[in-house]
Parts: sequence; C-alpha cells; structure tokens
Amino acid sequence: EAQVTQNPRYLITVTGKKLTVTCSQNMNHEYMSWYRQDPGLGLRQIYYSMNVEVTDKGDVPEGYKVSRKEKRNFPLILESPSPNQTSLYFCASSTGSSYGYTFGSGTRLTVV
Amino acid sequence: GEDVEQSLFLSVREGDSSVINCTYTDSSSTYLYWYKQEPGAGLQLLTYIFSNMDMKQDQRLTVLLNKKDKHLSLRIADTQTGDSAIYFCAESFDSWGKLQFGAGTQVVVTP
Repeated sequence: EAQVTQNPRYLITVTGKKLTVTCSQNMNHEYMSWYRQDPGLGLRQIYYSMNVEVTDKGDVPEGYKVSRKEKRNFPLILESPSPNQTSLYFCASSTGSSYGYTFGSGTRLTVV
Repeated sequence: GEDVEQSLFLSVREGDSSVINCTYTDSSSTYLYWYKQEPGAGLQLLTYIFSNMDMKQDQRLTVLLNKKDKHLSLRIADTQTGDSAIYFCAESFDSWGKLQFGAGTQVVVTP
C-alpha cells in the first residue's frame, strides 16, 4: 500500500531532551515536507526537501532540523525541544504532479 | 506573506448541500486544493483545481474558483454524516513546494 509512515504517533517528552520523529514513504517520491498543525493556524510548513541532500526552510523552521540522506526517509529532529513545540506534526511526500502531497497520519508531540 | 482565510465552523443537515468558502491573497498561485481531515487522521486530498480553471466537478464535489475575487469554494452535494471533518483549502505556486493552508473549516453534519 502506498503510504507515508510516521513514528511515533504520540510522544510526551521533557524540555531539552533531543528527539527524532521518523518519516518514510514507499512511493519513490522526490519531494517531502514537514508541517505542524496548531488550532486556529492551520498547517505551517517547517522544512521541505526536493531531493536527496537538498532541503530548505519553510515558514517556521526555528528549533527544528531535518536530513535527507535517502530518498524514502525524511526525519525531523528537535535538538532541544521546548513547550512551544507542542503540536501535531505531519510528514508529506509528493511526486510533483498535480495531486500534491500525500500526508502521513501525524505525530502528536507534547513537551513538558 | 500569503494568507488563506476560511470560516471556522459550518453546521449542515444530512442530505443538504454544504458550501465551504476560502479566500486567498496571492494571485500567482497555480494550484488550489481542498483537503479533508477526519478525527485522528492525516489530511486526505479531496480535489484540486488549476488557476486557469473556473469550475471542477467530481461526483458530489464541485469546486468554484473566482480569480478576480481570489475566492475558492467547495460544494458538497447530499451531505452525509461521513462528511463531518475539518476541511482545509490550500494554495501553491507549484505542485510540490510549499502549500499555504487556511485554518480549516469544521463541518458538522446533523441528522
């Protein structure tokens, strides 16, 4: 089944403890992206990647890092999480066609 | 930056038509999308329209685009309880880059 898989689905962590949210797609898509969803704000792009080793900042990149060493994987790294990064995170991938992005099921992160 | 605006809530009776509205500010947007988010799930692409189109129909869904007013709407005919969800409109300059989302419209379908 064609899909974008994120792990974990839920995560509670403490301020300052480094964490990684993994994202993997099995559709051979070149383009991948991370979004965060907050009530009343919709989804905002954090980072995106056009291909292996090619990444760029979105609207809200502060406090996040990404890497794209393989085409299928696009992990999101929070080096020192803070409570304002408590949010619902979505990974998405695209083939570049008009169908836009395919989204993962989301990761709900709580930073205490 | 660009802003995409939507009303936050819509209540509709089962069997009626729903109309969800969206306004966007960037006239250079090429693609306009409607996504559906059910509780606990990711976003599912419902439909899209190119900026050189005025209307697109796909089964119960009709998308209308008024480029002059930068207004996009999604009409759902014969609304069912399974249509209860949050609907996001989004604009993009290309099919793979940044999607600019609205805040989402919560649609509640009542029996």
